Amino acid sequence: SAVISQKPSRDICQRGTSLTIQCQVDSQVTMMFWYRQQPGQSLTLIATANQGSEATYESGFVIDKFPISRPNLTFSTLTVSNMSPEDSSIYLCSVEPVVRNEQFFGPGTRLTVL
Amino acid sequence: DQQVKQNSPSLSVQEGRISILNCDYTNSMFDYFLWYKKYPAEGPTFLISISSIKDKNEDGRFTVFLNKSAKHLSLHIVPSQPGDSAVYFCAASVTGNTPLVFGKGTRLSVIA
Repeated sequence: SAVISQKPSRDICQRGTSLTIQCQVDSQVTMMFWYRQQPGQSLTLIATANQGSEATYESGFVIDKFPISRPNLTFSTLTVSNMSPEDSSIYLCSVEPVVRNEQFFGPGTRLTVL
Repeated sequence: DQQVKQNSPSLSVQEGRISILNCDYTNSMFDYFLWYKKYPAEGPTFLISISSIKDKNEDGRFTVFLNKSAKHLSLHIVPSQPGDSAVYFCAASVTGNTPLVFGKGTRLSVIA
Protein backbone atom coordinates (compact mmCIF):
# COMPACT_ATOMS: atom_id res chain seq x y z
CA SER A 1 0.00 0.00 0.00
CA ALA A 2 1.05 3.62 -0.51
CA VAL A 3 1.91 5.95 2.36
CA ILE A 4 0.14 9.26 1.97
CA SER A 5 0.64 12.44 3.96
CA GLN A 6 -1.41 15.61 3.94
CA LYS A 7 -0.64 19.09 5.16
CA PRO A 8 -2.09 20.77 7.09
CA SER A 9 -3.90 18.20 9.20
CA ARG A 10 -6.38 20.86 10.28
CA ASP A 11 -6.96 24.57 9.96
CA ILE A 12 -9.40 27.25 11.00
CA CYS A 13 -9.82 29.94 8.37
CA GLN A 14 -11.70 33.16 7.91
CA ARG A 15 -14.44 33.61 5.36
CA GLY A 16 -13.16 34.88 2.02
CA THR A 17 -9.65 33.50 2.36
CA SER A 18 -8.09 30.53 0.55
CA LEU A 19 -6.29 27.44 1.81
CA THR A 20 -3.98 25.13 -0.11
CA ILE A 21 -3.81 21.51 0.98
CA GLN A 22 -0.83 19.38 0.03
CA CYS A 23 -0.80 15.64 -0.62
CA GLN A 24 2.46 13.68 -0.81
CA VAL A 25 2.76 9.99 -1.71
CA ASP A 26 5.79 7.82 -1.03
CA SER A 27 5.69 6.20 -4.48
CA GLN A 28 4.73 7.17 -7.99
CA VAL A 29 1.05 6.69 -8.70
CA THR A 30 -0.96 7.29 -11.81
CA MET A 31 -4.26 8.21 -10.24
CA MET A 32 -4.71 10.79 -7.51
CA PHE A 33 -8.06 12.04 -6.30
CA TRP A 34 -9.47 14.69 -4.00
CA TYR A 35 -12.55 13.99 -1.88
CA ARG A 36 -14.63 15.99 0.54
CA GLN A 37 -16.54 14.65 3.51
CA GLN A 38 -19.01 17.12 4.92
CA PRO A 39 -20.34 16.51 8.43
CA GLY A 40 -22.59 13.45 8.50
CA GLN A 41 -22.19 12.83 4.79
CA SER A 42 -20.42 10.33 2.59
CA LEU A 43 -17.14 10.96 0.83
CA THR A 44 -17.75 12.95 -2.34
CA LEU A 45 -15.25 13.06 -5.18
CA ILE A 46 -14.21 16.61 -6.07
CA ALA A 47 -11.82 15.87 -8.92
CA THR A 48 -9.20 13.61 -10.39
CA ALA A 49 -5.76 15.21 -10.36
CA ASN A 50 -4.08 14.52 -13.69
CA GLN A 51 -0.32 14.78 -14.03
CA GLY A 52 0.63 17.22 -16.73
CA SER A 53 -2.89 18.35 -17.57
CA GLU A 54 -5.91 20.01 -16.03
CA ALA A 55 -7.82 18.19 -13.34
CA THR A 56 -11.09 16.47 -14.17
CA TYR A 57 -13.89 17.85 -11.99
CA GLU A 58 -17.06 16.11 -10.92
CA SER A 59 -20.46 17.67 -11.30
CA GLY A 60 -20.93 20.50 -8.84
CA PHE A 61 -17.24 21.32 -8.51
CA VAL A 62 -15.40 23.93 -10.58
CA ILE A 63 -11.79 24.85 -11.12
CA ASP A 64 -12.20 28.44 -9.95
CA LYS A 65 -13.34 27.25 -6.54
CA PHE A 66 -11.08 24.21 -6.21
CA PRO A 67 -7.93 24.68 -8.29
CA ILE A 68 -5.74 21.60 -8.33
CA SER A 69 -2.11 21.11 -9.26
CA ARG A 70 -0.33 17.84 -10.03
CA PRO A 71 3.26 18.66 -10.96
CA ASN A 72 4.53 15.07 -10.73
CA LEU A 73 3.47 11.50 -9.92
CA THR A 74 3.90 11.83 -6.14
CA PHE A 75 2.45 15.23 -5.26
CA SER A 76 -0.75 17.24 -5.64
CA THR A 77 -2.36 20.31 -4.11
CA LEU A 78 -5.99 21.31 -3.69
CA THR A 79 -6.87 24.94 -3.02
CA VAL A 80 -10.19 25.86 -1.47
CA SER A 81 -10.78 29.41 -2.70
CA ASN A 82 -12.85 32.25 -1.32
CA MET A 83 -14.00 30.08 1.54
CA SER A 84 -17.38 30.19 3.23
CA PRO A 85 -18.64 28.26 6.27
CA GLU A 86 -20.24 25.75 3.86
CA ASP A 87 -16.71 24.66 2.88
CA SER A 88 -16.09 23.35 6.38
CA SER A 89 -15.31 19.69 5.73
CA ILE A 90 -12.67 17.04 5.82
CA TYR A 91 -10.68 17.06 2.60
CA LEU A 92 -8.98 13.82 1.64
CA CYS A 93 -6.59 12.88 -1.08
CA SER A 94 -6.45 9.32 -2.31
CA VAL A 95 -4.36 7.34 -4.75
CA GLU A 96 -4.85 4.23 -6.78
CA PRO A 97 -1.64 2.27 -7.30
CA VAL A 98 -1.18 1.13 -10.86
CA VAL A 99 -1.67 -2.58 -10.26
CA ARG A 100 -4.46 -2.45 -7.69
CA ASN A 101 -8.14 -1.57 -7.83
CA GLU A 102 -8.28 -0.25 -4.30
CA GLN A 103 -7.79 3.38 -3.40
CA PHE A 104 -5.71 4.42 -0.43
CA PHE A 105 -6.49 7.57 1.48
CA GLY A 106 -4.45 10.19 3.22
CA PRO A 107 -5.24 11.15 6.82
CA GLY A 108 -7.37 14.10 5.74
CA THR A 109 -7.40 17.83 6.39
CA ARG A 110 -10.09 19.08 8.72
CA LEU A 111 -11.09 22.58 7.62
CA THR A 112 -13.27 24.91 9.65
CA VAL A 113 -14.34 28.20 8.08
CA LEU A 114 -15.62 30.90 10.42
CA ASP B 1 -29.91 10.30 -5.94
CA GLN B 2 -27.76 8.08 -3.77
CA GLN B 3 -26.31 5.21 -5.74
CA VAL B 4 -24.81 3.52 -2.68
CA LYS B 5 -26.88 3.34 0.48
CA GLN B 6 -26.03 2.30 3.98
CA ASN B 7 -29.36 2.50 5.72
CA SER B 8 -28.12 1.87 9.24
CA PRO B 9 -26.23 4.89 10.57
CA SER B 10 -25.11 2.95 13.63
CA LEU B 11 -24.80 -0.56 15.02
CA SER B 12 -23.87 -1.88 18.46
CA VAL B 13 -22.56 -5.40 18.95
CA GLN B 14 -21.18 -7.32 21.91
CA GLU B 15 -17.56 -8.34 21.80
CA GLY B 16 -17.14 -11.82 20.37
CA ARG B 17 -20.42 -11.75 18.45
CA ILE B 18 -20.91 -11.22 14.73
CA SER B 19 -21.22 -7.73 13.23
CA ILE B 20 -23.16 -7.47 9.99
CA LEU B 21 -23.01 -4.22 8.05
CA ASN B 22 -25.26 -3.83 5.04
CA CYS B 23 -25.02 -1.87 1.83
CA ASP B 24 -27.38 -1.51 -1.13
CA TYR B 25 -26.66 -0.05 -4.53
CA THR B 26 -28.81 1.05 -7.43
CA ASN B 27 -26.40 1.22 -10.37
CA SER B 28 -26.30 -2.17 -12.09
CA MET B 29 -23.08 -1.15 -13.86
CA PHE B 30 -21.12 -1.33 -10.61
CA ASP B 31 -18.83 -4.35 -10.72
CA TYR B 32 -16.35 -3.73 -7.94
CA PHE B 33 -17.17 -3.15 -4.31
CA LEU B 34 -15.04 -2.14 -1.36
CA TRP B 35 -15.32 -1.64 2.37
CA TYR B 36 -13.34 0.98 4.21
CA LYS B 37 -12.92 1.54 7.92
CA LYS B 38 -12.45 5.01 9.33
CA TYR B 39 -11.29 5.99 12.79
CA PRO B 40 -11.76 9.58 14.02
CA ALA B 41 -9.10 12.00 12.74
CA GLU B 42 -7.79 9.44 10.25
CA GLY B 43 -8.43 8.79 6.59
CA PRO B 44 -10.43 5.74 5.51
CA THR B 45 -8.47 2.50 5.48
CA PHE B 46 -9.13 -0.13 2.85
CA LEU B 47 -10.53 -3.30 4.43
CA ILE B 48 -11.74 -5.77 1.84
CA SER B 49 -13.13 -5.81 -1.68
CA ILE B 50 -15.11 -8.06 -3.97
CA SER B 51 -15.52 -8.26 -7.71
CA SER B 52 -18.93 -8.92 -9.23
CA ILE B 53 -17.72 -12.26 -10.58
CA LYS B 54 -17.67 -13.54 -6.99
CA ASP B 55 -20.31 -13.76 -4.32
CA LYS B 56 -18.00 -14.05 -1.34
CA ASN B 57 -14.56 -12.91 -0.32
CA GLU B 58 -12.94 -13.71 2.98
CA ASP B 59 -9.95 -12.20 4.76
CA GLY B 60 -9.41 -13.34 8.31
CA ARG B 61 -12.28 -12.15 10.48
CA PHE B 62 -13.80 -10.17 7.61
CA THR B 63 -16.08 -11.60 4.95
CA VAL B 64 -17.93 -9.69 2.27
CA PHE B 65 -20.98 -11.21 0.58
CA LEU B 66 -22.39 -9.94 -2.69
CA ASN B 67 -25.92 -10.59 -3.92
CA LYS B 68 -26.03 -9.13 -7.41
CA SER B 69 -29.68 -9.87 -8.05
CA ALA B 70 -30.64 -7.95 -4.92
CA LYS B 71 -27.94 -5.31 -5.48
CA HIS B 72 -26.87 -5.88 -1.92
CA LEU B 73 -23.62 -6.53 -0.15
CA SER B 74 -22.77 -7.11 3.44
CA LEU B 75 -19.67 -7.16 5.59
CA HIS B 76 -19.44 -9.75 8.35
CA ILE B 77 -16.95 -9.39 11.16
CA VAL B 78 -16.49 -12.48 13.31
CA PRO B 79 -15.65 -12.35 16.13
CA SER B 80 -16.11 -8.63 16.74
CA GLN B 81 -13.46 -6.89 18.82
CA PRO B 82 -13.51 -3.49 20.56
CA GLY B 83 -10.83 -2.30 18.12
CA ASP B 84 -13.32 -2.79 15.32
CA SER B 85 -15.30 0.18 16.60
CA ALA B 86 -15.17 2.67 13.73
CA VAL B 87 -17.22 4.04 10.86
CA TYR B 88 -17.48 1.60 7.95
CA PHE B 89 -18.00 2.88 4.43
CA CYS B 90 -19.22 0.83 1.53
CA ALA B 91 -17.99 1.94 -1.91
CA ALA B 92 -18.64 0.85 -5.47
CA SER B 93 -17.12 1.46 -8.85
CA VAL B 94 -17.27 0.46 -12.48
CA THR B 95 -13.98 -1.17 -13.47
CA GLY B 96 -12.13 1.06 -15.88
CA ASN B 97 -14.05 4.07 -14.61
CA THR B 98 -12.20 4.63 -11.41
CA PRO B 99 -14.12 7.11 -9.22
CA LEU B 100 -15.55 5.39 -6.19
CA VAL B 101 -19.08 6.10 -5.03
CA PHE B 102 -19.41 5.93 -1.27
CA GLY B 103 -22.26 5.31 1.10
CA LYS B 104 -22.77 7.52 4.15
CA GLY B 105 -21.21 5.03 6.50
CA THR B 106 -22.29 2.94 9.48
CA ARG B 107 -20.81 3.58 12.89
CA LEU B 108 -20.02 0.27 14.56
CA SER B 109 -19.59 0.11 18.32
CA VAL B 110 -18.27 -3.13 19.76
CA ILE B 111 -19.01 -3.31 23.44
CA ALA B 112 -16.70 -5.25 25.73
